[in-house]
Amino acid sequence: GENVEQHPSTLSVQEGDSAVIKCTYSDSASNYFPWYKQELGKRPQLIIDIRSNVGEKKDQRIAVTLNKTAKHFSLHITETQPEDSAVYFCAAGIDTDKLIFGTGTRLQVFP
Amino acid sequence: EPEVTQTPSHQVTQMGQEVILRCVPISNHLYFYWYRQILGQKVEFLVSFYNNEISEKSEIFDDQFSVERPDGSNFTLKIRSTKLEDSAMYFCASGTGGGETQYFGPGTRLLVL
Repeated sequence: GENVEQHPSTLSVQEGDSAVIKCTYSDSASNYFPWYKQELGKRPQLIIDIRSNVGEKKDQRIAVTLNKTAKHFSLHITETQPEDSAVYFCAAGIDTDKLIFGTGTRLQVFP
Repeated sequence: EPEVTQTPSHQVTQMGQEVILRCVPISNHLYFYWYRQILGQKVEFLVSFYNNEISEKSEIFDDQFSVERPDGSNFTLKIRSTKLEDSAMYFCASGTGGGETQYFGPGTRLLVL
């Protein structure tokens, strides 16, 4: 069935360093790839998304890359700050269809 | 900025009881979704709803679950006879469709005793 794998499950970085989270999806028909940030007890908040007609997208310190051939997509956070600490989920979807979420990455940024 | 809202924020119920979780999607959105998240785990899709009918549902969404859009603003999830394993955070989401963003509500934390 449809599946999204996400690595690593935990990631600890020093403030100012970069963080990279990687996801792989199984359904080649997927064409929409959002990333959500979830703080403890809160709702998932969209931080960036990418569609299959684009290979890379950047928004300030956050960037996402997509390799459709390999069915990989990655989140890159540069110049990390303590407030970036949260659980990050990747997801894959097809148009209006359901989102299949990855298992999450707990990012800790140490001052 | 408009947001998806959900009520109640927390619900405690006895096993076997019925619960109704309520959501008010963003007003111009046409696609509605329910997801659940068991504590410490990933977000799982339950059901999607468009044009007053279910468009897709997961294996989790069995006969104990139902959804309804009783009026122009509310979207509800009913669990007919709750089980212990239904304990989770339930998120409603809405979107304009066509591969556009799904916006999540704050969730209802359901605890079945």
